[in-house]
Amino acid sequence: DTAVSQTPKYLVTQMGNDKSIKCEQNLGHDTMYWYKQDSKKFLKIMFSYNNKELIINETVPNRFSPKSPDKAHLNLHINSLELGDSAVYFCASSQGRSSYNSPLHFGNGTRLTVT
Amino acid sequence: AQKVTQAQTEISVVEKEDVTLDCVYETRDTTYYLFWYKQPPSGELVFLIRRNSFDEQNEISGRYSWNFQKSTSSFNFTITASQVVDSAVYFCALWPAGGTSYGKLTFGQGTILTVHP
Repeated sequence: DTAVSQTPKYLVTQMGNDKSIKCEQNLGHDTMYWYKQDSKKFLKIMFSYNNKELIINETVPNRFSPKSPDKAHLNLHINSLELGDSAVYFCASSQGRSSYNSPLHFGNGTRLTVT
Repeated sequence: AQKVTQAQTEISVVEKEDVTLDCVYETRDTTYYLFWYKQPPSGELVFLIRRNSFDEQNEISGRYSWNFQKSTSSFNFTITASQVVDSAVYFCALWPAGGTSYGKLTFGQGTILTVHP
């Protein structure tokens, strides 16, 4: 049973296209996240939702729009893709915003390549 | 602001050697959590350990051990008798329990560990 699942695992697309990455967790957690890992392996938070409410929004271009239809899902839509968007995107979940309850559980990542 | 520094970019060892991965952090919060994650070549992020700021006891789990020293803001990770399967990128991370960074996991730059047979 996969705890945090992301689809697709690989995504290759051309500049200017719009694409979405889906994330689902079956852990019963109420908080979900998107992290970006760049080519140098650096991981940085992008967004966080708690019970479908946006609680963390880092300085991410407006072309990135997260959507949480329910607390088990957090999708990431990217408009007008650019070369610099190429990265691995990780979805994660936790119970609450405090690590006291649980650490972050990460999905396996989506490798986005923009050509 | 939170910061995590892993000064060792890459480490290369031969199987059965012991290896220590360093992690130094900065935070103004008095309550926080520290983590280590492993990212094997397959790419997933694997949770290894969580330690809260009030618990400075060292921990051992099989060949893995962690040394948390609040006085030096360090949370180092030692692998004893390394194996080829330990080859991965290892991340140290900090999660503050309050303040403006509440809920954000701040990662270090990662240390690439290569264990040669």
